[in-house]
Amino acid sequence: QQQVKQSPQSLIVQKGGISIINCAYENTAFDYFPWYQQFPGKGPALLIAIRPDVSEKKEGRFTISFNKSAKQFSLHIMDSQPGDSATYFCAATGNQFYFGTGTSLTVIP
Amino acid sequence: KAGVTQTPRYLIKTRGQQVTLSCSPISGHRSVSWYQQTPGQGLQFLFEYFSETQRNKGNFPGRFSGRQFSNSRSEMNVSTLELGDSALYLCASSDRTGPYEQYFGPGTRLTVT
Repeated sequence: QQQVKQSPQSLIVQKGGISIINCAYENTAFDYFPWYQQFPGKGPALLIAIRPDVSEKKEGRFTISFNKSAKQFSLHIMDSQPGDSATYFCAATGNQFYFGTGTSLTVIP
Repeated sequence: KAGVTQTPRYLIKTRGQQVTLSCSPISGHRSVSWYQQTPGQGLQFLFEYFSETQRNKGNFPGRFSGRQFSNSRSEMNVSTLELGDSALYLCASSDRTGPYEQYFGPGTRLTVT
């Protein structure tokens, strides 16, 4: 059973555009929601994270929007750049981390 | 601070063999978690160690085991390897257990033939 559902599986965005990746969860006990970025041949790198008492968190071009009542959260990448091309994973955690299945983002120059 | 290091980076084993992977966490971090990453299943949690004690365990068979040493370094062992064990094995460290930031190493790519 997938604890965290992530969509879309792949995403192609023009340079300068907005990339949006969505995740949904079921377990209301989850209390930490990070996003990771992974380049080929590398381990996932922590990008940004949010806790459920906050509806939005912004760090540079990256923003997490969190909807506690809908049990959904999303990552927005503003002004997407070719260097952002990577696989993005959402996660949710209580006593262990549950990861989404990943979104392969391609930013076209 | 140096990041999480994992050795070896690449490994080729034959079915039925066993393998040991090593992880050195970020200095000062006492929590080490292990994950298996495959194209079909994504990132799946194996287990977490904190101060030499296993805190959580994922849904993997007993062939997968681990341990943590007093210096927080951790090892993961897989016995009686199967073809399906081919994966990227990732280690992540944190300065505390529970829902906090985890920092991943580069992984060990295991190929079972």
